[in-house]
Amino acid sequence: GAGVSQSPSNKVTEKGKDVELRCDPISGHTALYWYRQRLGQGLEFLIYFQGNSAPDKSGLPSDRFSAERTGESVSTLTIQRTQQEDSAVYLCASSAQTGQGNTIYFGEGSWLTVV
Amino acid sequence: GDSVTQMEGPVTLSEEAFLTINCTYTATGYPSLFWYVQYPGEGLQLLLKATKADDKGSNKGFEATYRKETTSFHLEKGSVQVSDSAVYFCALFEGYNKLIFGAGTRLAVHP
Repeated sequence: GAGVSQSPSNKVTEKGKDVELRCDPISGHTALYWYRQRLGQGLEFLIYFQGNSAPDKSGLPSDRFSAERTGESVSTLTIQRTQQEDSAVYLCASSAQTGQGNTIYFGEGSWLTVV
Repeated sequence: GDSVTQMEGPVTLSEEAFLTINCTYTATGYPSLFWYVQYPGEGLQLLLKATKADDKGSNKGFEATYRKETTSFHLEKGSVQVSDSAVYFCALFEGYNKLIFGAGTRLAVHP
């Protein structure tokens, strides 16, 4: 597609429920990233996928967070047993390559509110 | 680990004023540096980047120069417009796969 597409754009869920957030990267982009942006703060790296390599999960804040990617296409970020501190914008991004100087393109994000 | 520090906002300016948003970084090696912008209701967009020391990134009248000696990448614009109102994020590329962001600086430009 023309850009990185994320769904849902907004999600309100009850504490303790599981949520799934979806990301469609730009067609042909092999690298895919998930970031979290809490209100008034910068972006926190969560996870990175590159082709068929093992993902870099070093930014996932707890074992309640997981993500999958099918080949070089769609990715799903799952948060189990949501907590109020999980409320944030979850941003997906993709890039054609990896490495220094590479341009990363972001989606508009999925706003998650845990009540 | 690597980190980015940028000036706290909000920054409030009148139209046509000069803008500087300070950004300094801590990193091993010489990472690529970026400025991203987030306009109200929109996603994060790349504004400009620089990949090595003394490089100057520029776009839409904004400029930033990669200063290795001061580990800085300050964003400047000579004459801001109301449409420049947004949140600006300084970032560096750590390793091969990770952007490290500053906390963001909100800019409000009034007519």
